[in-house]
Amino acid sequence: NAGVTQTPKFQVLKTGQSMTLQCAQDMNHEYMSWYRQDPGMGLRLIHYSVGAGITDQGEVPNGYNVSRSTTEDFPLRLLSAAPSQTSVYFCASSGTANSPLHFGNGTRLTVT
Amino acid sequence: EDQVTQSPEALRLQEGESSSLNCSYTVSGLRGLFWYRQDPGKGPEFLFTLYSAGEEKEKERLKATLTKKESFLHITAPKPEDSATYLCAVQAQSGYSTLTFGKGTMLLVSP
Repeated sequence: NAGVTQTPKFQVLKTGQSMTLQCAQDMNHEYMSWYRQDPGMGLRLIHYSVGAGITDQGEVPNGYNVSRSTTEDFPLRLLSAAPSQTSVYFCASSGTANSPLHFGNGTRLTVT
Repeated sequence: EDQVTQSPEALRLQEGESSSLNCSYTVSGLRGLFWYRQDPGKGPEFLFTLYSAGEEKEKERLKATLTKKESFLHITAPKPEDSATYLCAVQAQSGYSTLTFGKGTMLLVSP
């Protein structure tokens, strides 16, 4: 099993560009979420999904969109990148509401 | 609002020198407290879940304990390979509740 796979590993964008961060899991987990990790801030929740077709906002959702058309995939879209979105992004999944999260290895995004 | 505070921010130990990391929390009804380990350039890796005060869990040189206000991660006779950032997170009881993470403790164990 690959677990949670994130692509790309690294990305550099110019201000105003758009892109999609990909996340796929092969564990048939219902729950998926996106976090960003910044120095001195800890992990902060952006968006999450409790199943295909169901998404909700986390702590820092502005500037990001998500959709969940399949159980396996949970892409994160940046519509118009800003330097404040420079961060490391982690996707995570869990089988139930109480289960520990399984994390991918992250996408390091720089917006210039 | 749920809050998690971890201390110290960084800890340097000699190999074999035991110590503890602290995670203080406030949450509106605790469903679970989670400990993760994160290596540089990697995603967090799950270590333990604790559910109620008095509970303890062990894995190799690590032992996690829980009270009503805080959790400790005790590291006994650490080795250099225990060097990592350790993250604590809490989950509240209400419905589907997301995790609130602390900022982590960066542990460096020197040979």
